[in-house]
Amino acid sequence: RKEVEQDPGPFNVPEGATVAFNCTYSNSASQSFFWYRQDCRKEPKLLMSVYSSGNEDGRFTAQLNRASQYISLLIRDSKLSDSATYLCVVNGAGGYNKLIFGAGTRLAVHP
Amino acid sequence: GAVVSQHPSWVICKSGTSVKIECRSLDFQATTMFWYRQFPKQSLMLMATSNEGSKATYEQGVEKDKFLINHASLTLSTLTVTSAHPEDSSFYICSAVRGVHSTDTQYFGPGTRLTVL
Repeated sequence: RKEVEQDPGPFNVPEGATVAFNCTYSNSASQSFFWYRQDCRKEPKLLMSVYSSGNEDGRFTAQLNRASQYISLLIRDSKLSDSATYLCVVNGAGGYNKLIFGAGTRLAVHP
Repeated sequence: GAVVSQHPSWVICKSGTSVKIECRSLDFQATTMFWYRQFPKQSLMLMATSNEGSKATYEQGVEKDKFLINHASLTLSTLTVTSAHPEDSSFYICSAVRGVHSTDTQYFGPGTRLTVL
């Protein structure tokens, strides 16, 4: 079983749509959770950290369910510029700052 | 925000040659640097963790004699792919961390695309 699992997509949505991505992780000892965005042939960029209480940054909302080991990302009012691959990232056990990346979910927003 | 550079951004080499990739933190001193590899349509895989002045810690399955890491200063780490082969062709990305806590942000370099012919 992969340590971080995501639906690879692609999710093809029209502009203005709301889209949700899910992610599960296997290590219950993980303490830090993130969503990164990666554009084609570029490095990943931090989109937002994910906190237990849930957090929002503009059109983006992230939630964490520790009991189910489940993380979600909701994007409202999708823009063309949101087209990218979204990576679910969890810190690994046994080493600070050791990040475990999911394979990513691809989002394509069309006019 | 913090800036991390990598050089070169891309390289094409013949099979059997060695390739050196540099990772620099431009505006901060990095306590730790990480090296990742990403094959097409796959996730980033951590190869090794590098601390200045000490030996790198390699992940399981990564050959330390093939992927040499030198962390000469708090702003520079290098990865040398020795005797590169076509299966080493990949996107190599470094990251740097300023602090020591698991919540400290990793700043990623722009990556180096290696193609081995």
